[in-house]
Amino acid sequence: DTAVSQTPKYLVTQMGNDKSIKCEQNLGHDTMYWYKQDSKKFLKIMFSYNNKELIINETVPNRFSPKSPDKAHLNLHINSLELGDSAVYFCASSPSGTSGSPEQFFGPGTRLTVL
Amino acid sequence: GQQLNQSPQSMFIQEGEDVSMNCTSSSIFNTWLWYKQDPGEGPVLLIALYKAGELTSNGRLTAQFGITRKDSFLNISASIPSDVGIYFCAGQAYSNSGYALNFGKGTSLLVTP
Repeated sequence: DTAVSQTPKYLVTQMGNDKSIKCEQNLGHDTMYWYKQDSKKFLKIMFSYNNKELIINETVPNRFSPKSPDKAHLNLHINSLELGDSAVYFCASSPSGTSGSPEQFFGPGTRLTVL
Repeated sequence: GQQLNQSPQSMFIQEGEDVSMNCTSSSIFNTWLWYKQDPGEGPVLLIALYKAGELTSNGRLTAQFGITRKDSFLNISASIPSDVGIYFCAGQAYSNSGYALNFGKGTSLLVTP
C-alpha cells in the first residue's frame, strides 16, 4: 500500500565510500524528485525526472548521480561520500512534470550519516 | 531554487488554542502548498492552493493564497496534541524545468495538553 517508498531508511558509512539510495512509487506518477533536508530542516530540490528524463538538476556536486530505470523508480548514487553529505534525503513524486497538478507526495526519507 | 520566508520559526501553545503561520516570497507563485512533517517521516501534503485569493479548508486547517501571489497563510483552529510537528509552506512557479517546489524553513509547533 506504500505510495512512495525508499530504501534504506538509515545509512551509516565512512567518508570516501560509494552508496546508493533507492526510491519506488506505485502511484502511476510521471515525475519523481530527490530533495535534501539538512540539519536545520531546510528542504532543497536536487533532481527531477519526468518519464525517465532528467528535467531539473540543481547545483549539486557531480558525485551525485540519479538514475531512473523506469518512471516508477528513481535511484540516487553518491560517490566519494563527504561529511557534508550527511542529511535526510527524500524522494517524491507528482502526477505530471510540465502540466497538471504539481502536488508532490514524499517518501519516508533516508537518513545518511557519513563518519 | 528560491527560499521562502516562513514565520514564526517555532510556536509553543496550549491545547485548544488557534495557530497562525505565514509565508512570503519575493517572486510570484502559481501554486502554494502546505505540508506537515512528523519526526522521522516525510512531509505530508495538507492543503494545496491554485488561485490568488483562494481560501481552502481541510478540517481544522484553513489556508489562503495571497492576492499578490507572493504570500500564503495557514491557520489551525482548536489545536490538539497530534498537531505537533513541523509545518512547511512550498511555492511553485511553473517553468520549463517543471514543478520543483521552493520550501520555507518550517514552523515547528509544540502543543501542550
